[in-house]
Amino acid sequence: NAGVTQTPKFRVLKTGQSMTLLCAQDMNHEYMYWYRQDPGMGLRLIHYSVGEGTTAKGEVPDGYNVSRLKKQNFLLGLESAAPSQTSVYFCASTQTSRTQYFGPGTRLTVT
Amino acid sequence: SQKIEQNSEALNIQEGKTATLTCNYTNYSPAYLQWYRQDPGRGPVFLLLIRENEKEKRKERLKVTFDTTLKQSLFHITASQPADSATYLCALPNTGTASKLTFGTGTRLQVTL
Repeated sequence: NAGVTQTPKFRVLKTGQSMTLLCAQDMNHEYMYWYRQDPGMGLRLIHYSVGEGTTAKGEVPDGYNVSRLKKQNFLLGLESAAPSQTSVYFCASTQTSRTQYFGPGTRLTVT
Repeated sequence: SQKIEQNSEALNIQEGKTATLTCNYTNYSPAYLQWYRQDPGRGPVFLLLIRENEKEKRKERLKVTFDTTLKQSLFHITASQPADSATYLCALPNTGTASKLTFGTGTRLQVTL
C-alpha cells in the first residue's frame, strides 16, 4: 500500500496564478483533511471531507477550495495564489480509528 | 477557545538519557490524546493514543501519561538514541465529529552522542 500520496512535492507560483494539489489514499478511508504548516503555527486545518461528495471548512479556509469527487482523492485548489499562502501543505486521512495518516507534503512558494 | 501548548524550545539531551516532552491544554475535556513524530521534510507519523481513563500507555521505549486534572500529557522516550531526534506533536480531538484533530506546535528533540 502506498498510503497517502501527494502531488506535486514542490511548486513555485506567481501571485495570482492558480493550481491544484492532489491527495490520494489507498486505504479506503472515509475522512480526508488538508492542513497547512507554517513555522511557529503548527498544523492548521484548511478543509476536510467526511466522505465522497462532501466537503467542509476548517480553521483557515479562505482562499482555498476543495473537491472530493472520488473517495480516494481529495483536491485542494488555489484560485488566485497570494504570498500568504506560501506554506507546506499536508493531506491526511482516517477511518474511525481517529489516527490520522499523513502524506509527505507539498512545499508551495508564492512569489 | 481550545488551546494546546508545547514547549517551543528545542530539547537537547544526551544519548541514553530519558527525554520528557510536555503537552498542556486548556478549555478541553478530551476523550483521548495522541502523539505524533515529524521528521524534517516529512509528514507527521502517529505514535501513541491514550484515552482519558488511561493514566499511562507504553510502546517499546515510549511512555505517555495523561492527567486530566492537570490537563497535561507527558511523553517519555527512555534510552534515547540519535535516531529519536525529530519534532514531536501532541494532538487532541476537536469538537464535533469528523475525527478532526487540533495539533500543538511541537517540540523538537535533539539527541546527541
